[in-house]
Amino acid sequence: EAGVAQSPRYKIIEKRQSVAFWCNPISGHATLYWYQQILGQGPKLLIQFQNNGVVDDSQLPKDRFSAERLKGVDSTLKIQPAKLEDSAVYLCASSFTGAGTEAFFGQGTRLTVV
Amino acid sequence: QQQVKQSPQSLIVQKGGISIINCAYENTAFDYFPWYQQFPGKGPALLIAIRPDVSEKKEGRFTISFNKSAKQFSLHIMDSQPGDSATYFCAAKPGKLIFGQGTTLQVKP
Repeated sequence: EAGVAQSPRYKIIEKRQSVAFWCNPISGHATLYWYQQILGQGPKLLIQFQNNGVVDDSQLPKDRFSAERLKGVDSTLKIQPAKLEDSAVYLCASSFTGAGTEAFFGQGTRLTVV
Repeated sequence: QQQVKQSPQSLIVQKGGISIINCAYENTAFDYFPWYQQFPGKGPALLIAIRPDVSEKKEGRFTISFNKSAKQFSLHIMDSQPGDSATYFCAAKPGKLIFGQGTTLQVKP
C-alpha cells in the first residue's frame, strides 16, 4: 500500500513570496489533514478535510494560508505572502473516517523562509 | 481544554533501561489516545494507541498505561534500544488529533 505522498520535500523562499505544497493521501482515505510542525514542537492542525469539505480550519491563518481538496483526493496548501515565522515542516496526513482511526503521515515539506 | 501536556521534554536512558513518557489531558470528550514516533526528516508514525475503556495496552516492548480518573496516560518502553532514539508524541482525539509537545528520547549504548 502506497503511503501519503508529499511534494516538494524542501523549499526555500524569501519572505512575501508565495509557495504551494501538494499532498496525495492513501487511496480510500476520506479524511485529510494538514499540520504545521515548528522545530521542537508537536504538529499543530491547520485544516481537516472530509472528502472535499472542510471540517476544521480554526487554526488556519486565513489571511495568508489557503487549502483546497477539489475532487476529494489530493490537496494543495498555499501560503501567500510568506512570513519568516512560517518556517516549519508542513505535514499531510490521511485516515479513514471514524473514531479511533489511525492517521498516516507523509514525510512532510520543510519550508524555510528567508 | 484542548491541550495535551507531555513530559519530560527530553530523556536519556541507558540501553536495556525503561523509558517513561507522561501525558495529561483535560477534555473528557477525548476517546482515542495514540502515541507517535518520529525520526529526523520523517513524518510521525503510529506506535501504539489506546481507548479509555482499557487501562493498559501492550505491544511488544511498548506499553500504554491509562488512568481515566486522573486524565493521564503514559508510554513505557521496556528494554530500551539505541534504535528507539527518536521524538515521541502523545496525542488525543476525537475529531482532530491534538499533539503533545514531544519528548526527545536518547538511548545510550
